Amino acid sequence: DIQMTQSPSSVSASVGDRVTITCRASQGISTWLAWYQQKPGKAPKLLIYAASSLQSGVPSRFSGSGSGTDFTLTISSLQSEDFATYYCQQAHSFPFTFGPGTKVDIK
Amino acid sequence: EVQLLESGGGLVQPGGSLRLSCAASGFTLRSYTMSWVRQAPGKGLEWVSSISGGVDSTYYAGSVNGRFTISRDNSKNTLFLQMNSLRAEDTAVYYCAREYNSGYKDYWGQGTLVTVSS
Repeated sequence: DIQMTQSPSSVSASVGDRVTITCRASQGISTWLAWYQQKPGKAPKLLIYAASSLQSGVPSRFSGSGSGTDFTLTISSLQSEDFATYYCQQAHSFPFTFGPGTKVDIK
Repeated sequence: EVQLLESGGGLVQPGGSLRLSCAASGFTLRSYTMSWVRQAPGKGLEWVSSISGGVDSTYYAGSVNGRFTISRDNSKNTLFLQMNSLRAEDTAVYYCAREYNSGYKDYWGQGTLVTVSS
């Protein structure tokens, strides 16, 4: 199975800050990677697919990059509604594993 | 509008069975790969099972293989997850999700809580 890791596990930030989250796969997955946002008590929401494609309706302050084993999710200017937990997920091969999550909270 | 509505969760004893349902609307279920993803209390997301669009190939996480069965009723546009031999570690919120372009889950239900406890 492909193992996914994320760093940091949590980050404290202020509105307007630039936030970067890293995801690493245990083997190369090309660009078969998604990012999801989850708020407490809610279902996850797809933000980015194919490593860098923005899902319809997602604000342009979210961006993704990377290929192979190393990926990044960037929030260019953090807004109050962005405080949440973010998960990466590989879509290269079954089982489609998720990273452990990165919690973004208010500084 | 695409909607997914799970049901069937509840409290069950270890070794028991439960069947989850996911009623889909706004799209044709048989045309899409569908998945179940679970989240134990306070934990991260874990993919459980998928059924591919069209050919109905099924896939399972190692932790549930042989105990869980995914299926769908195309006439009712409903996805199912039959869960047998339940264990305490199966306690979680179970989400159904539609897959876009193989592996990317673009729509999710609200989740249904399964609690396995004596």
